[in-house]
Amino acid sequence: EVQLLESGGGLVQPGGSLTLCCAASGFTFSTYAMSWVRQAAGEGLEWISSISDRGGSTYYADSVRGRFTVSRDNANNTVCLQMNSLRAEDTATYFCARDKPSFDNWGQGALVTVSS
Amino acid sequence: EIVMTQSPATLSVSPGERVTLSCRASQSVSSYLAWYQQKPGQAPRLLIYDASTRATGVPGRFSGSGSGAQFTLTISSLQSEDFAVYFCQQYYLWLRYSFGPGTKLEIK
Repeated sequence: EVQLLESGGGLVQPGGSLTLCCAASGFTFSTYAMSWVRQAAGEGLEWISSISDRGGSTYYADSVRGRFTVSRDNANNTVCLQMNSLRAEDTATYFCARDKPSFDNWGQGALVTVSS
Repeated sequence: EIVMTQSPATLSVSPGERVTLSCRASQSVSSYLAWYQQKPGQAPRLLIYDASTRATGVPGRFSGSGSGAQFTLTISSLQSEDFAVYFCQQYYLWLRYSFGPGTKLEIK
């Protein structure tokens, strides 16, 4: 069974940093691209970043480019999202998803709250 | 950047009705289009990929159609568990994806 489990969410002050990670199991992690999607409360889904299967290619939405960095560790079946210079508008639930490239499996989400 | 739009934003329907949701892309995305269902407090669930292929375990009452820039998701006979928000997503641009704003199905 495919499982994706996010960790690292929490409360952070504006301008601060936070790193989310997603632990994958139940599939050959190194053969799939992975993506991060966020959702502010009551809002829609926003794709924010993807990383290729070997990590050689990464892409970001304009809203986070230059502030967020996606990385992966195929030896440990983990993908992480380092978030710097956080803003109030980054407050959201962050999901990791397996990239088929449609997103066929999702984590349960990690809540990030940016507030003073 | 490919911009996705969906209509209507909200649809009030009765159980048993047939519904059609629309999704449009700002440029052709060929058939690289997926539909997701999301219920409150849950992660999205993949329903349809490649515009018309049902994901594993998705009931046959869900069907997708379209290609290019215009797509539809049809639910042939609404069940109580189908009341949710539906999002479309393009994956035409590898690793540079985008979602539509969603259509909320409400009980009439």
